[in-house]
Amino acid sequence: EDKVVQSPLSLVVHEGDTVTLNCSYEVTNFRSLLWYKQEKKAPTFLFMLTSSGIEKKSGRLSSILDKKELFSILNITATQTGDSAVYLCAVDRDMRFGAGTRLTVKP
Amino acid sequence: DSGVTQTPKHLITATGQRVTLRCSPRSGDLSVYWYQQSLDQGLQFLIQYYNGEERAKGNILERFSAQQFPDLHSELNLSSLELGDSALYFCASSVPGRGGNEQFFGPGTRLTVL
Repeated sequence: EDKVVQSPLSLVVHEGDTVTLNCSYEVTNFRSLLWYKQEKKAPTFLFMLTSSGIEKKSGRLSSILDKKELFSILNITATQTGDSAVYLCAVDRDMRFGAGTRLTVKP
Repeated sequence: DSGVTQTPKHLITATGQRVTLRCSPRSGDLSVYWYQQSLDQGLQFLIQYYNGEERAKGNILERFSAQQFPDLHSELNLSSLELGDSALYFCASSVPGRGGNEQFFGPGTRLTVL
């Protein structure tokens, strides 16, 4: 059965820390892996990854995909309280989402 | 603001009833996706439409149905509602691209079944 597993499920850090969120998957017909940030509303798109080893960056966030080992990581450096959210990964083609990692950044 | 609109924002109804949720995608987006998010199930993909045709099905119950109209807006119909159908229903839209779809989510419709 296809599955997407995120770890850790919950993480509490202090401002300025660096965090690494993990997403592993076992799916048929993989096309891409997507990361989303969800605060108290709808998920907002962060990254789409299709190729192994190519890092995508946006400010303090970065992500990379390993299609051989079937996982992706999302890194957040110099965390801020505004980074507090649930981070979701999803695997296309059937848009299977993981349970999410709840990140709490304390001042 | 993602550009995806959903109505209504909130809906309260009783078991056994039928409701219709509406979604207008971003201008130019041909694909519409429907998701259900509940506390115990997380975000579940229900169904995708592309330019009026069903493209993919996820965990959609037989009591639920959807369609996409010529103007590309979409409706999700939920019938014979049960307490467990209470959830946040999101619509998302995308422009199909090579290798996958970046999706833009609407604000959601919160459905409460009493």
